[in-house]
Amino acid sequence: GAVVSQHPSRVICKSGTSVKIECRSLDFQATTMFWYRQFPKKSLMLMATSNEGSKATYEQGVEKDKFLINHASLTLSTLTVTSAHPEDSSFYICSATDRKATNEKLFFGSGTQLSVL
Amino acid sequence: SQQGEEDPQALSIQEGENATMNCSYKTSINNLQWYRQNSGRGLVHLILIRSNEREKHSGRLRVTLDTSKKSSSLLITASRAADTASYFCATDSGGYNKLIFGAGTRLAVHP
Repeated sequence: GAVVSQHPSRVICKSGTSVKIECRSLDFQATTMFWYRQFPKKSLMLMATSNEGSKATYEQGVEKDKFLINHASLTLSTLTVTSAHPEDSSFYICSATDRKATNEKLFFGSGTQLSVL
Repeated sequence: SQQGEEDPQALSIQEGENATMNCSYKTSINNLQWYRQNSGRGLVHLILIRSNEREKHSGRLRVTLDTSKKSSSLLITASRAADTASYFCATDSGGYNKLIFGAGTRLAVHP
């Protein structure tokens, strides 16, 4: 089945630094990728839709200058948390859909646990 | 914004018992999906049911959909300890492939 690789799986950083998270579709092309944020024991909150070759679409309340998304190719999207603060600590998950697939199933990365000290 | 509500929030059962989780949503949908998440991991797709379907089976999973009540249920039969995970319903209310997730049910299956 389709595989989405997310890296790193865990990152600890100091307040004020920036952190980049990568999301790759390994065996399919993904025109669109999605970035979610998840707090402990809570549901996934959609942050933004990443479109290959164009600007990301952010959900209401998500700061686009804080969470920079780049989708430079059909297999790679990156999320950069800029000037991270402790309140940005969370579990971030990406997902992608195979553009050749006819169903609407999403494939998820394994997530990135971000801890900002 | 999140629109799905799931109940129960947490469910604890013994191996061999059946587990039923419910999901409600607010707007019209084309399909509803169920996903599973092991602690600290990504989500795994379980099953998709379209708005014109009422019931779907996949192995020990049975999903029902009632569009008049805007609700769905996931039944796991003959549960196993390995079924311990969080289960989320998701609807395509946000647009094509843009899933909106429910709050989730944390299932614990005890040996």
